[in-house]
Amino acid sequence: DTGVSQDPRHKITKRGQNVTFRCDPISEHNRLYWYRQTLGQGPEFLTYFQNEAQLEKSRLLSDRFSAERPKGSFSTLEIQRTEQGDSAMYLCASSLAHGPQETQYFGPGTRLLVL
Amino acid sequence: AQSVTQLDSQVPVFEEAPVELRCNYSSSVSVYLFWYVQYPNQGLQLLLKYLSGSTLVKGINGFEAEFNKSQTSFHLRKPSVHISDTAEYFCAVSEVQAGTALIFGKGTTLSVSS
Repeated sequence: DTGVSQDPRHKITKRGQNVTFRCDPISEHNRLYWYRQTLGQGPEFLTYFQNEAQLEKSRLLSDRFSAERPKGSFSTLEIQRTEQGDSAMYLCASSLAHGPQETQYFGPGTRLLVL
Repeated sequence: AQSVTQLDSQVPVFEEAPVELRCNYSSSVSVYLFWYVQYPNQGLQLLLKYLSGSTLVKGINGFEAEFNKSQTSFHLRKPSVHISDTAEYFCAVSEVQAGTALIFGKGTTLSVSS
């Protein structure tokens, strides 16, 4: 068990470009979450999957954002037509859903800077 | 909807001193409570969690927290801090029924100096 991994760790892009981030959860975990963390703030929930189904999306997830988890394993988060306000740390977490003992384990994050 | 308030944005302490990081929450339903720690350039690591049962919860690295339902608080404590405890600490809640998204506070920066 190597924990949750995210790639890339850092991304610098120009406004208007598309970016895609990848998250590999802990292997047996069936739930996967995406959060966004801006400077000086706590993480904010974006969306989550149970297996390959996307079950919940925050209103923070505008139509420029899309997330997928095609085979119920890794997930991708794509941001189209990036804006400077998208600059943030994007965190992925995974958990094993089996009642109230669920604990979310976080990856190291992808830091995005939009110029 | 739930919300979390971390009452102190920064807490400076000297090494070996006790520390308390305060967290209050608001929710119309029962919640689970968590404390996470974030070291520089790293992801969040779970320190401890309260699901049910004893209101005093012990976590890793010598931290503990006490759930107080009447005061809707979940303060984090450590009797003697180390330089290595310097980090950002986040309090979070999730609904018992939904058990999905975590709602985080804005964080408290703990700075331990010698």
